[in-house]
Amino acid sequence: DGGITQSPKYLFRKEGQNVTLSCEQNLNHDAMYWYRQDPGQGLRLIYYSQIVNDFQKGDIAEGYSVSREKKESFPLTVTSAQKNPTAFYLCASSVSREGNQPQHFGDGTRLSIL
Amino acid sequence: SQKIEQNSEALNIQEGKTATLTCNYTNYSPAYLQWYRQDPGRGPVFLLLIRENEKEKRKERLKVTFDTTLKQSLFHITASQPADSATYLCALVLMDSNYQLIWGAGTKLIIKP
Repeated sequence: DGGITQSPKYLFRKEGQNVTLSCEQNLNHDAMYWYRQDPGQGLRLIYYSQIVNDFQKGDIAEGYSVSREKKESFPLTVTSAQKNPTAFYLCASSVSREGNQPQHFGDGTRLSIL
Repeated sequence: SQKIEQNSEALNIQEGKTATLTCNYTNYSPAYLQWYRQDPGRGPVFLLLIRENEKEKRKERLKVTFDTTLKQSLFHITASQPADSATYLCALVLMDSNYQLIWGAGTKLIIKP
């Protein structure tokens, strides 16, 4: 079955620590996205990538970093500079960034602070 | 200011009735509007897309309307079932912002047997 796999499902971060969230897709999609979901708020875009070796900042990129070395993979690193990292992180992909393309989501990683 | 709003209170509907969810926005000019379903602890799942020049779109028991004058989209589920219970998210697609999606916070729908 084609889809998006995020791991781990739960992650705990210590003070001063960087953590990396994994996102893999086998849908052959060009575009990939990282969102943050907080209670009572809409999804907010952290980073997106339209093609391998290219990515762009979203609305809340500070304290996060990404890479896109392979079409299938778009890992997100939450750095120690992100002071409020506790949230539900969602990775998504779409055929392209065209507006009529639906986004396909993984089942998220819940990040908490120890 | 720019806003997108969905009813933050849960919507309780009796099984078999039609559920209607609302998505209102201000100061945006979306090219498209998308609706998604999200179950607890899961990622959103795409349901329907409607273009700015479409008034209505249907898919099985689902119907979406889009009124760009009122700046409102309505999402209807007819013959609702307990399995339809979930949170429903709307998202505006802004062509002038490189197709960025602007997401509502979602409305929780509860279908009671």
